[in-house]
Amino acid sequence: EDKVVQSPLSLVVHEGDTVTLNCSYEVTNFRSLLWYKQEKKAPTFLFMLTSSGIEKKSGRLSSILDKKELFSILNITATQTGDSAVYLCAATYNNNDMRFGAGTRLTVKP
Amino acid sequence: EAGVVQSPRYKIIEKKQPVAFWCNPISGHNTLYWYRQNLGQGPELLIRYENEEAVDDSQLPKDRFSAERLKGVDSTLKIQPAELGDSAVYLCASSFPRQGRYEQYFGPGTRLTVT
Repeated sequence: EDKVVQSPLSLVVHEGDTVTLNCSYEVTNFRSLLWYKQEKKAPTFLFMLTSSGIEKKSGRLSSILDKKELFSILNITATQTGDSAVYLCAATYNNNDMRFGAGTRLTVKP
Repeated sequence: EAGVVQSPRYKIIEKKQPVAFWCNPISGHNTLYWYRQNLGQGPELLIRYENEEAVDDSQLPKDRFSAERLKGVDSTLKIQPAELGDSAVYLCASSFPRQGRYEQYFGPGTRLTVT
């Protein structure tokens, strides 16, 4: 069965800490791995990864994919309270199918 | 560029009542998705449209759920009759897959509470 598993499910840190969020996947005919940030309601797109070992970076956020070990990580450095959100990863596979993980709820305390 | 628009944002109904949600995707996006997101879980796909054709509705509970996208643009999702377990956030998303890119853009969702 196709699945995407994220860990940890929740994380509490203090401002300035660095966090690493994990996402593992098992899907048929994998195409890409996506990361989203969800505050309140709508998930907003962060990164799309298709190739192993190539880091995607946006400000304090970065992500990398390992297609051999079937996982991705999302790093956030120098965390801020505004980073508090649920971070979702999703694997696209087959012909435009997409499966989400349950998400990691990150809380950044001042 | 306008994002994905959904309405209503909130809906409270009694069980056994019908309810409908509306979604207008980003202009030019031919793929439209309806997801259900329960508390503490990731979105789960209900149905995916390519233009006006439903290409994946395997997870749609067809005894009570229906959806349409008649002109290949906006879409409605209906539940009749609603059950207590249908309480969730219903998200609509759209995408325009090209050059292997599949990122989906989500609307604000409709929070449904069934009492």
